[in-house]
Amino acid sequence: ILNVEQSPQSLHVQEGDSTNFTCSFPSSNFYALHWYRWETAKSPEALFVMTLNGDEKKKGRISATLNTKEGYSYLYIKGSQPEDSATYLCAFNNNAGNMLTFGGGTRLMVKP
Amino acid sequence: DTAVSQTPKYLVTQMGNDKSIKCEQNLGHDTMYWYKQDSKKFLKIMFSYNNKELIINETVPNRFSPKSPDKAHLNLHINSLELGDSAVYFCASSQDPSGRYNEQFFGPGTRLTVL
Repeated sequence: ILNVEQSPQSLHVQEGDSTNFTCSFPSSNFYALHWYRWETAKSPEALFVMTLNGDEKKKGRISATLNTKEGYSYLYIKGSQPEDSATYLCAFNNNAGNMLTFGGGTRLMVKP
Repeated sequence: DTAVSQTPKYLVTQMGNDKSIKCEQNLGHDTMYWYKQDSKKFLKIMFSYNNKELIINETVPNRFSPKSPDKAHLNLHINSLELGDSAVYFCASSQDPSGRYNEQFFGPGTRLTVL
């Protein structure tokens, strides 16, 4: 069983705050790390797919970094807005077929 | 146009029944998946399927079976439903069969309630 952990489980911030959260995964047999954004009553939507150690990806105010040697990825949100409120999921692929193992998510709530 | 669609959205049924959930994608993807959102809200992979290979998560009971009439569809059949099967089931698809380079696109989910 692969252990993919996300912290914190939940986070409350004020509008305009910058925030970050962590995804930890096994450092062996790394293949890919995905980040998804999941709004309540909707489906998960992809943010990033990261494959190389040291990768940094950015989409608007959201960015992510990857350290495969130590087994973690950070997701950063700059200047949080209420519409950023969602659960952010990371998912690990260890090349055992093409199956993703998801973490439990970080639930972000941004107060206006 | 909806990229990945599932029907029905809600399914309420009695224990012991057999039911199916349909999934269709219009993205031209080769690989489709089924996930179960468990009671702790975790997304757990059940199956990965492309036209060459079915990969089954070993923890999935054999009462669950995926059936693919064509590349655009992957239906989930569940036999002899149990109370513990109550969950939200998500279908997904991706372009890359390796799962390495491309994201997965998720359907809206089907909430199954077994009474």
